[in-house]
Amino acid sequence: AQKVTQAQTEISVVEKEDVTLDCVYETRDTTYYLFWYKQPPSGELVFLIRRNSFDEQNEISGRYSWNFQKSTSSFNFTITASQVVDSAVYFCALSESSGNTPLVFGKGTRLSVIA
Amino acid sequence: DSGVTQTPKHLITATGQRVTLRCSPRSGDLSVYWYQQSLDQGLQFLIQYYNGEERAKGNILERFSAQQFPDLHSELNLSSLELGDSALYFCASSVGNRAVDGYTFGSGTRLTVV
Repeated sequence: AQKVTQAQTEISVVEKEDVTLDCVYETRDTTYYLFWYKQPPSGELVFLIRRNSFDEQNEISGRYSWNFQKSTSSFNFTITASQVVDSAVYFCALSESSGNTPLVFGKGTRLSVIA
Repeated sequence: DSGVTQTPKHLITATGQRVTLRCSPRSGDLSVYWYQQSLDQGLQFLIQYYNGEERAKGNILERFSAQQFPDLHSELNLSSLELGDSALYFCASSVGNRAVDGYTFGSGTRLTVV
């Protein structure tokens, strides 16, 4: 069965610090997709990134970067120079069977960025 | 505005009652997914409909049921409500029947059972 673990329940950092959110997944599939979503205090879920299991290239988007390592079944998310607006709950999610199965989410990591 | 509309935004009801949550998917999307977000369980997948047919089922209780209508809107019915059913219920839609097509989430319905 697929499973996503986000071991960090809450993280607190001071503005401008870098922070990494961990995500470890379990799957028996060889073709699967990984996702990150952001849930700001307003409550909506915002898509951040999708990565398929064959693409292990790291991705950078502005201050956000993602490190996918199949060898350790991890898909970690780093925010560089954090800002107060980054305060949110971040969810990692997995879809197996070439993306055919509904997303299974981790329990989320609550990030608080303090000014 | 994501284009996915959920009503009502807030609902307070008593134990034992029945409620209906409504979701209108983004224009052109055929799939609707329902998720329950509670403090201790995180985001749990309940059920998916694609073009009117049930496509996948998750941890949905027997007291809960859903359907998708010909106009593609979906309703989630929760009956014999218990305190533990208090949660944020999200609906998401996608154009196809695969999660990889990309979900768009609604803003959720917060259900409080008292």
